Amino acid sequence: DTGVSQDPRHKITKRGQNVTFRCDPISEHNRLYWYRQTLGQGPEFLTYFQNEAQLEKSRLLSDRFSAERPKGSFSTLEIQRTEQGDSAMYLCASKTGGAGYNEQFFGPGTRLTVL
Amino acid sequence: RKEVEQDPGPFNVPEGATVAFNCTYSNSASQSFFWYRQDCRKEPKLLMSVYSSGNEDGRFTAQLNRASQYISLLIRDSKLSDSATYLCVVRRDFGNEKLTFGTGTRLTIIP
Repeated sequence: DTGVSQDPRHKITKRGQNVTFRCDPISEHNRLYWYRQTLGQGPEFLTYFQNEAQLEKSRLLSDRFSAERPKGSFSTLEIQRTEQGDSAMYLCASKTGGAGYNEQFFGPGTRLTVL
Repeated sequence: RKEVEQDPGPFNVPEGATVAFNCTYSNSASQSFFWYRQDCRKEPKLLMSVYSSGNEDGRFTAQLNRASQYISLLIRDSKLSDSATYLCVVRRDFGNEKLTFGTGTRLTIIP
């Protein structure tokens, strides 16, 4: 257990439904990342927060995706009008900022299946 | 072309053997390099950082060649518990510091 938690761990939904995932980072970590991992691939960067500010979004993040980190603590990732291509593992990671290398710690992920 | 390229394997090797993984990266702005390990249906976990001088951690040795943009991982005296997917990872040490992963190389150690 890295100290990063995600909820739910598994989500099965029908195409067209909206889903929301939650990530609770390690408490003193001000940076939070969302990644997506499909079968047979490595994780791919989706978006990044420093405190409550969303500072970068990947081109992978279509307008159906939105992420928030309202108080600079937990974060949510919402997918609207899900498509079968959204089926993946959604991973959250957190780290401290500052100089030098600080490891990103990953949560256990939320596995999404869109039927 | 993907920013980080790895042979996806699978590699099936007998217990006790030595196995080597290679990885190339295309973005010369990449500044930090890592190997992560991912067990089936689990999150990735940092195995080791990779330095130009080479570094060793027990049975694991990592090497970086910046001129060739090439990273390697050597596992000696492989154990059954080494069975996992090994992900090559690069990072730019400025801005968002996002991690860019290779596809991973699946390793199975055979008893």
